Amino acid sequence: DAGVTQSPTHLIKTRGQQVTLRCSPKSGHDTVSWYQQALGQGPQFIFQYYEEEERQRGNFPDRFSGHQFPNYSSELNVNALLLGDSALYLCASSLETGANYGYTFGSGTRLTVV
Amino acid sequence: AQKVTQAQTEISVVEKEDVTLDCVYETGDTTYYLFWYKQPPSGELVFLIRRNSFDEQNEISGRYSWNFQKSTSSFNFTITASQVVDSAVYFCALSEAWAYGNNRLAFGKGNQVVVIP
Repeated sequence: DAGVTQSPTHLIKTRGQQVTLRCSPKSGHDTVSWYQQALGQGPQFIFQYYEEEERQRGNFPDRFSGHQFPNYSSELNVNALLLGDSALYLCASSLETGANYGYTFGSGTRLTVV
Repeated sequence: AQKVTQAQTEISVVEKEDVTLDCVYETGDTTYYLFWYKQPPSGELVFLIRRNSFDEQNEISGRYSWNFQKSTSSFNFTITASQVVDSAVYFCALSEAWAYGNNRLAFGKGNQVVVIP
């Protein structure tokens, strides 16, 4: 039973560019959340998608956007990259009906902006 | 507003020693959930334990145990007889109850645990 799969694992982009990160949730999960983890910090919530809609959003600018597809997979898009966007981006999946039973996290995408 | 504070940054212990990680939280809700996650060098967050705000019973699960005290808003975590494989970053997290399923997690800054053989 595959867990959460994220791609790519590593990415280097230039300031001002745009990037798309991808996530496939754990089998049977229908909700996807994205977190940003800067070096030496705890993960920060970006947003959560359920039924292809953004349901919750953290304190991130509109440069951060996302999408969820009918198969529950998700993309995170970041426009106009800044050096400060360099971080580990974690995807977490969960089951809507499994309230607070915890998330399953992927290994993340390490984004470096130069 | 929800907030999680993990005061220690790096903790080094010799193998077989016990290590306790402190976590203090803030929330305005009466119903909430507390978690501990482990993050090995591979990057993924591994779920360890979960406790809801109505259950202050402290338990032991293998080499892991936790001490939940609502009166002091603390949710401390102990690894007994540490092993080298326990070396990782450990995060305490809080999730407030929500009508629609799993709510967002608020994480502390983490504790880097280094177990020295």
